Amino acid sequence: QKEVEQNSGPLSVPEGAIASLNCTYSDRGSQSFFWYRQYSGKSPELIMSIYSNGDKEDGRFTAQLNKASQYVSLLIRDSQPSDSATYLCAVQGPYNQGGKLIFGQGTELSVKP
Amino acid sequence: DGGITQSPKYLFRKEGQNVTLSCEQNLNHDAMYWYRQDPGQGLRLIYYSQIVNDFQKGDIAEGYSVSREKKESFPLTVTSAQKNPTAFYLCASRLNYGYTFGSGTRLTVV
Repeated sequence: QKEVEQNSGPLSVPEGAIASLNCTYSDRGSQSFFWYRQYSGKSPELIMSIYSNGDKEDGRFTAQLNKASQYVSLLIRDSQPSDSATYLCAVQGPYNQGGKLIFGQGTELSVKP
Repeated sequence: DGGITQSPKYLFRKEGQNVTLSCEQNLNHDAMYWYRQDPGQGLRLIYYSQIVNDFQKGDIAEGYSVSREKKESFPLTVTSAQKNPTAFYLCASRLNYGYTFGSGTRLTVV
């Protein structure tokens, strides 16, 4: 089992729709979770971070965390063509292992005009 | 402005050649990381360093080497032992929960 798993995609949604991206993780002790957006050939950029169970909203983006189910998701409301990118879920590893980010394989999102 | 500078942006390596990728940060972060990304894949950890003169292997360290002689610098050498080095390489640094990524180096074997 991979440490962090995402829907393989690609995910295609029409402009204005809600895009839902999902991620599961294996280490029950994980505390910090991140969603990055990556355009082709570019470095990842942070969209959301979440540390507590529940929802966290920032503009059109909502991150949801359920530690009991070891599940974290990202909702993008009113999707725009500019949201078309690969979305990476990442979990922070323990500090005694360097606090490294452990990434899923990414989900490619395509928003159709 | 503080940030991470990776150079070069594009690098071409001949068979059997060692090449070094540069990563410099002026954020005063203690922890630094090297990741490799293959097409359609997430990022995989090569090496990390939490303090000067100390570094640890990540998940895919074979064929790579690093040094951390200064806090600001964490260069990655891709040796001839790395048989499939063509990939996108990203350097990152961390302070608490905040991670900063460089713009990446795309390495191609010719």
